[in-house]
Amino acid sequence: ETGVTQSPTHLIKTRGQQVTLRCSSQSGHNTVSWYQQALGQGPQFIFQYYREEENGRGNFPPRFSGLQFPNYSSELNVNALELDDSALYLCASSLGGESSTSHLLAKNIQYFGAGTRLSVL
Amino acid sequence: AQKVTQAQTEISVVEKEDVTLDCVYETRDTTYYLFWYKQPPSGELVFLIRRNSFDEQNEISGRYSWNFQKSTSSFNFTITASQVVDSAVYFCALSGTLNAGNNRKLIWGLGTSLAVNP
Repeated sequence: ETGVTQSPTHLIKTRGQQVTLRCSSQSGHNTVSWYQQALGQGPQFIFQYYREEENGRGNFPPRFSGLQFPNYSSELNVNALELDDSALYLCASSLGGESSTSHLLAKNIQYFGAGTRLSVL
Repeated sequence: AQKVTQAQTEISVVEKEDVTLDCVYETRDTTYYLFWYKQPPSGELVFLIRRNSFDEQNEISGRYSWNFQKSTSSFNFTITASQVVDSAVYFCALSGTLNAGNNRKLIWGLGTSLAVNP
């Protein structure tokens, strides 16, 4: 158990609709990263949020957007759904911070939730 | 460019055999991290290990061992005396460019599907 929870576990939508996926991060973690994993592929980085600000973005169109809340939980929103958006969406939480090298030992390890499987029909 | 290559798509072994999963990476960063994750059929990615680029010491954890060689840009993973419960997809990942808060994205290989048969 990583302490990272995602909801819902499964979702079916039709083309053109909008969807919101949710992620609660592990206690003490301030960074959330979102990944898209198509069937038979490795995860692809969508974006990352650190202290409520976007902190890096992958090669995804603007219709993929996100939020991070003061409690560090996060949402991924996808507008105008397309068939190719069908995938497993994974959320990972980690600990970020501007501190000395010794603290880096605990950082940069991303702990994942079980994912949300999105099917777009 | 940063890239991770896992050349083995699928591996099938019989229980108690040893198996090595290969991972080759490319990066221009001088400081980086390498990871292995396990993804069982349930879908959750389970963290196994993180290595720093400045520490080439090999690591052993029970039946798992990792061989990090900077000279060949490889970070291979060996399971000794494999068990049926080891059946899963295994991913190798590389840390991306440093962002605020010492955070980085992960760059993933395509994964190796391991089937351990009784």
